[in-house]
Amino acid sequence: DVKVTQSSRYLVKRTGEKVFLECVQDMDHENMFWYRQDPGLGLRLIYFSYDVKMKEKGDIPEGYSVSREKKERFSLILESASTNQTSMYLCASRSPNQPQHFGDGTRLSIL
Amino acid sequence: KNQVEQSPQSLIILEGKNCTLQCNYTVSPFSNLRWYKQDTGRGPVSLTIMTFSENTKSNGRYTATLDADTKQSSLHITASQLSDSASYICVVIHSGGYQKVTFGTGTKLQVIP
Repeated sequence: DVKVTQSSRYLVKRTGEKVFLECVQDMDHENMFWYRQDPGLGLRLIYFSYDVKMKEKGDIPEGYSVSREKKERFSLILESASTNQTSMYLCASRSPNQPQHFGDGTRLSIL
Repeated sequence: KNQVEQSPQSLIILEGKNCTLQCNYTVSPFSNLRWYKQDTGRGPVSLTIMTFSENTKSNGRYTATLDADTKQSSLHITASQLSDSASYICVVIHSGGYQKVTFGTGTKLQVIP
């Protein structure tokens, strides 16, 4: 079974901090994604990566950056956390043309 | 604008009863449509995948239908169980290029004894 592991289930940070969310997948998937999920808005794509060292902006990239130095790991970085970035963050991976496999999410609170 | 709309937003049913969730989309060009189940505090898990040419697909007690002409899909749950309580998300995949994905906002289903 595909396993997508997000490093933290819950995280509390302060405004202005630099925040790192880590995601690791164990199925050698080329594609990886970061979403945020907010009530009533569904999943919104922040960034995605089609291969190592490649990254593309999604629909809401402002205030975020990503890093993909190794195929299995995709990191989401909040450069200077703000309260409007309080959300559930979901990582996903897939092989091309296959369904996405999601991690269990990181619930991030910015105080 | 590419959109995916789901109805109802929430639903409460008695254990053992059937229910149907709806998904309407305006995505074009269309590649395929997926239904995901998301348990509280967990990530979404794929239930079914339907391509343009498929009308019906089943996965146990879950049956998805697709009408590509009217751009509508439904997810029917038979003989509901308490473990079916979850959010059900309709996802439409665009064809071509990087296969952009558009998510619906989900239907929150609660099955009560």
